[in-house]
Amino acid sequence: GAVVSQHPSWVICKSGTSVKIECRSLDFQATTMFWYRQFPKQSLMLMATSNEGSKATYEQGVEKDKFLINHASLTLSTLTVTSAHPEDSSFYICSARARGGRGVSETQYFGPGTRLLVL
Amino acid sequence: AQTVTQSQPEMSVQEAETVTLSCTYDTSENNYYLFWYKQPPSRQMILVIRQEAYKQQNATENRFSVNFQKAAKSFSLKISDSQLGDTAMYFCAFMKHAGGAQKLVFGQGTRLTINP
Repeated sequence: GAVVSQHPSWVICKSGTSVKIECRSLDFQATTMFWYRQFPKQSLMLMATSNEGSKATYEQGVEKDKFLINHASLTLSTLTVTSAHPEDSSFYICSARARGGRGVSETQYFGPGTRLLVL
Repeated sequence: AQTVTQSQPEMSVQEAETVTLSCTYDTSENNYYLFWYKQPPSRQMILVIRQEAYKQQNATENRFSVNFQKAAKSFSLKISDSQLGDTAMYFCAFMKHAGGAQKLVFGQGTRLTINP
């Protein structure tokens, strides 16, 4: 149980284009989803928190107009990198926290990540 | 604000040995959760073990156990009978018990290598 998927796992795009990454909780409903960015050999950096049906909350320094987040349902959140540039190349990871159920709702389950390369 | 510190950037042990990864944290909260996540070369984050601060008993999951010292704000992970598949980055993480978005605060990570 508690499986989170991400699609695509790998994406290469040209500078100036937009890229959408999907994050799905496959066997549970996620009240909250989180988006992280990870640079090589570094820890995870939280970008934003999204709750179903409401606007995402962005961490300081993260451009909300560049990284658009939509949490349309209890099982799906999307991250769109708009007008991507080479410096946006990174590993993006989502996580989801389950709805209800003591002992389950406190734990974040992570997707497998998406490698983005902007040329 | 909470902070998590992992003071060992890298560790290396022989297969079947026991290894302990250190983690300290700073918080003014009384109720919170602590986690150890593993990130193997595939980069998939995998939950290893979790501890609720109000529980005095140390959490265990098969070969993985923690030494939770609340007063010292220390949360170390012990891996017994280490296996080659344990090679990975290990992240310690803190989360408040309630209030706000309950974000995870991660440490810098410890790269663990199990040698054959």
